[in-house]
Amino acid sequence: AQSVTQPDIHITVSEGASLELRCNYSYGATPYLFWYVQSPGQGLQLLLKYFSGDTLVQGIKGFEAEFKRSQSSFNLRKPSVHWSDAAEYFCAVATTTSGTYKYIFGTGTRLKVLA
Amino acid sequence: EAGVAQSPRYKIIEKRQSVAFWCNPISGHATLYWYQQILGQGPKLLIQFQNNGVVDDSQLPKDRFSAERLKGVDSTLKIQPAKLEDSAVYLCASSSTRSTDTQYFGPGTRLTVL
Repeated sequence: AQSVTQPDIHITVSEGASLELRCNYSYGATPYLFWYVQSPGQGLQLLLKYFSGDTLVQGIKGFEAEFKRSQSSFNLRKPSVHWSDAAEYFCAVATTTSGTYKYIFGTGTRLKVLA
Repeated sequence: EAGVAQSPRYKIIEKRQSVAFWCNPISGHATLYWYQQILGQGPKLLIQFQNNGVVDDSQLPKDRFSAERLKGVDSTLKIQPAKLEDSAVYLCASSSTRSTDTQYFGPGTRLTVL
């Protein structure tokens, strides 16, 4: 069955430090992959997505993610974290059955940023 | 461009009562989704509409949950009767014609069942 795993429930980094959030997926075919951010009391906002082509994807707010097929991973990175990046981050995969796309979300990683 | 609107933002009810949530998607978006997000978990798709037809409702507990999208625009999600385990945030999202187009999420409705 298709699944998305985010191994880190909580991550704490200092402001200005680099960040990497891990995401692993399980899906037989080439997946469509997404990273979303959710601030408290807010809906989810798309950071970036991968459908095909270049495996390094640039997103909004200085985020990037790299698709590694051999590792079934789609890790999110940012070279220098800002205090405003504190939020919950969700990795998601869109899988298809009979032409219908279904979105499966990971359980999320909550990011805390220390001043 | 206006975003996805949801109401109410918060709702507290007692178990066995009924409740309804409303969603107004971004204008022109054909696809509408309802997700359930339980505290500490990622969103789980409940139902997906393409215009006013249901594309996927495989994870909708149909004995108590129902949803409709009249005229292919607004949508309502109803729970009747509610159980304690229905306490969650209910998120509505919409996207344009193709299923893999970006989903835009509303702020959600936080439901507490006592």
